[in-house]
Amino acid sequence: RKEVEQDPGPFNVPEGATVAFNCTYSNSASQSFFWYRQDCRKEPKLLMSVYSSGNEDGRFTAQLNRASQYISLLIRDSKLSDSATYLCVVPYSGAGSYQLTFGKGTKLSVIP
Amino acid sequence: NAGVTQTPKFQVLKTGQSMTLQCAQDMNHEYMSWYRQDPGMGLRLIHYSVGAGITDQGEVPNGYNVSRSTTEDFPLRLLSAAPSQTSVYFCASSQAGQGGYNEQFFGPGTRLTVL
Repeated sequence: RKEVEQDPGPFNVPEGATVAFNCTYSNSASQSFFWYRQDCRKEPKLLMSVYSSGNEDGRFTAQLNRASQYISLLIRDSKLSDSATYLCVVPYSGAGSYQLTFGKGTKLSVIP
Repeated sequence: NAGVTQTPKFQVLKTGQSMTLQCAQDMNHEYMSWYRQDPGMGLRLIHYSVGAGITDQGEVPNGYNVSRSTTEDFPLRLLSAAPSQTSVYFCASSQAGQGGYNEQFFGPGTRLTVL
């Protein structure tokens, strides 16, 4: 099984702080990567895709380091609404199909 | 569009009972999959389908069956429920072509308890 490892968390940060999560993956052949967000007792939803060295969307920046096989997610100016669990997801191909390996997630709590 | 819908939202079973978890999507996605999520574990793939009539096993298929007779529906059957199957089950769908590389749309989940 292809492995995806994430920071154990939880991360408790004050509003306005910058926080970063790391994720390492074992499948060196992976070409694209994803961060999903999962609110408590809800389904996961796509936050960001990373296809090259990185991607930025507002306060969120995802970076990819292929040589070291890790992905990071940076959240600037944290909001209370950012409180959630962040899942690192790595697709891998095998047997003619494409499947996803999910990390266990990192829980973020933004406190007032 | 309703997206991905799952029924029921909650279910309690006794050991040995069978049941079917329903999943439907109205986005004409060819790729559909079932995951289970347990505390302290990432989502794990149970079964997936790349189109009507085509299914395959994922990482944890034992004790579960699936079928895909239409593009819209992808039910998951528990043959003889066991306490180890207590979990939250998510159905997901995505566009065709390299299914794992496209955005996965998840249903709201079914919370199953097996006594």
